[in-house]
Amino acid sequence: GQNIDQPTEMTATEGAIVQINCTYQTSGFNGLFWYQQHAGEAPTFLSYNVLDGLEEKGRFSSFLSRSKGYSYLLLKELQMKDSASYLCAVKGSTLGRLYFGRGTQLTVWP
Amino acid sequence: SAVISQKPSRDICQRGTSLTIQCQVDSQVTMMFWYRQQPGQSLTLIATANQGSEATYESGFVIDKFPISRPNLTFSTLTVSNMSPEDSSIYLCSSPNPDDYGYTFGSGTRLTVV
Repeated sequence: GQNIDQPTEMTATEGAIVQINCTYQTSGFNGLFWYQQHAGEAPTFLSYNVLDGLEEKGRFSSFLSRSKGYSYLLLKELQMKDSASYLCAVKGSTLGRLYFGRGTQLTVWP
Repeated sequence: SAVISQKPSRDICQRGTSLTIQCQVDSQVTMMFWYRQQPGQSLTLIATANQGSEATYESGFVIDKFPISRPNLTFSTLTVSNMSPEDSSIYLCSSPNPDDYGYTFGSGTRLTVV
């Protein structure tokens, strides 16, 4: 089966940095995605890691360690609009399926 | 990235009835995925739909309850059959982007069964 674990909730203040962790145990691995989802909206793509290391894209960075089954999403210079659910998803080895963690609800306070 | 049009965006249905959700992609894609997102929860994969073959269902989901059609490479439907209040959820379709490694999602169908 697939097991993807991430914290349920996190809070932070505007301008701060927050790190959202994700650990996974899956049958097959072909990459890890981070998605942002605002309430009532579809998920939007943030990042993709398939090799170990850090991928940086503006205020967002994502890290992957395949040997540890671990990833994190780092959000810098937090803004109020960053309040959303952040979903960690692993691409399995069969048919390109994506398996999602429960999502981390991030609240950014002024 | 691909663009997916999903409809209806929301519906309120009587228990025992069925609802068909449609997704239209603006480019040809080999696979389409159907997810369910219950209130406050993450996305759960229902099935993978390939053109020209039967859909592949995940554990806990069956074809009689969630029949899927995939008549061509740009279109798919998911039917929620014999609905009960427990089927109240958001249903989303998704497809891999043809030109990069990402996935695009439809805007979702918010279903309420009364």
